[in-house]
Amino acid sequence: DTAVSQTPKYLVTQMGNDKSIKCEQNLGHDTMYWYKQDSKKFLKIMFSYNNKELIINETVPNRFSPKSPDKAHLNLHINSLELGDSAVYFCASSQANAGTSYNEQFFGPGTRLTVL
Amino acid sequence: LAKTTQPISMDSYEGQEVNITCSHNNIATNDYITWYQQFPSQGPRFIIQGYKTKVTNEVASLFIPADRKSSTLSLPRVSLSDTAVYYCLVGDPYNQGGKLIFGQGTELSVKP
Repeated sequence: DTAVSQTPKYLVTQMGNDKSIKCEQNLGHDTMYWYKQDSKKFLKIMFSYNNKELIINETVPNRFSPKSPDKAHLNLHINSLELGDSAVYFCASSQANAGTSYNEQFFGPGTRLTVL
Repeated sequence: LAKTTQPISMDSYEGQEVNITCSHNNIATNDYITWYQQFPSQGPRFIIQGYKTKVTNEVASLFIPADRKSSTLSLPRVSLSDTAVYYCLVGDPYNQGGKLIFGQGTELSVKP
């Protein structure tokens, strides 16, 4: 009964490769997000999708391309991986309606990406 | 979005009440104050959100003074399992499309 799931949990790859991280939520939420947490533990939003439409893009390099096939899924594809892409990537979802807000986001377990 | 300032770290002992204060001098009228908890190797978890005065749930209490320029997260009778990083965030929860700005957080260490 996992609310927000991500695969894989760990990803080790070489510079220059292309990789994808998948995210699925079974909460029925309309909005999904990708965050990056670096080695200093700073958590920064990268993208936000609402009903499969991009609503936030925080000046992320265009090597990063989110794709939302439906509102329950938001996948992150990364081209030409660089050393600086090494981080933990978190997917999250939320639903803003009466009694809740966008600020109540449910996070996945994270994907630790290591670029060698 | 309003910037927040909170202590980098705090130490406590089991059974004590812990209060973590966050400053947000530039909070806007539509902004709410939200706190998240993050355990090592896990994603952040929503704890509590408030606009003014006091909010309490089964996990914590949130105290917000009248000027709203600061807030205090109160954890009653902490246990070892409360050791985590606590983030204070300020923003409009209904019109920003979900843009949460996380600061550096407060690393709480609970000792036996």
